[in-house]
Amino acid sequence: EPEVTQTPSHQVTQMGQEVILRCVPISNHLYFYWYRQILGQKVEFLVSFYNNEISEKSEIFDDQFSVERPDGSNFTLKIRSTKLEDSAMYFCASLGMVNTGELFFGEGSRLTVL
Amino acid sequence: EDQVTQSPEALRLQEGESSSLNCSYTVSGLRGLFWYRQDPGKGPEFLFTLYSAGEEKEKERLKATLTKKESFLHITAPKPEDSATYLCAVQAGDYKLSFGAGTTVTVRA
Repeated sequence: EPEVTQTPSHQVTQMGQEVILRCVPISNHLYFYWYRQILGQKVEFLVSFYNNEISEKSEIFDDQFSVERPDGSNFTLKIRSTKLEDSAMYFCASLGMVNTGELFFGEGSRLTVL
Repeated sequence: EDQVTQSPEALRLQEGESSSLNCSYTVSGLRGLFWYRQDPGKGPEFLFTLYSAGEEKEKERLKATLTKKESFLHITAPKPEDSATYLCAVQAGDYKLSFGAGTTVTVRA
């Protein structure tokens, strides 16, 4: 069964450091997403990406965040200067058809900022 | 702003004890309502999409229904493997899902 894969599964970093989280979406999907979940809280939308550009982003997705699809398979989330409050589980998701809502989520990357 | 409220926060059931989870929502222009299952430390797993009031979907022991203001996820004769957090989400725009906080279901054998 096709799946979304994410690396690393857990990253610990110092405040102020740059972090890149990587995702390999399902190969024939066209829409890509990052969500995050702070421990004990809701899953929150960060950004959606389609046709090599951001299609929508939330208020959380400020200038310290960026996304990129550097090649045909990877989709990355970069956090330029991490803050303590960025500690969360970050989920990548991909979608084949925009109106189905059937997002396929990866297992997540747990980011701990010290 | 889209609002999704799930109740109860937690539900403890005996194996075989049927129950229902509630998801109430406020959204401008609902494009779809979705149910996901999330196991601890894992990503959400898609269960159902509902598009219009009156619609119902079933999968094994789960049945989802939709009205104009809320959705219910009915769990019939649950088993311990149904223990998980069940997430409700709504789609208003083209791309973004807004999730509720979830209901954590624990089924005891």
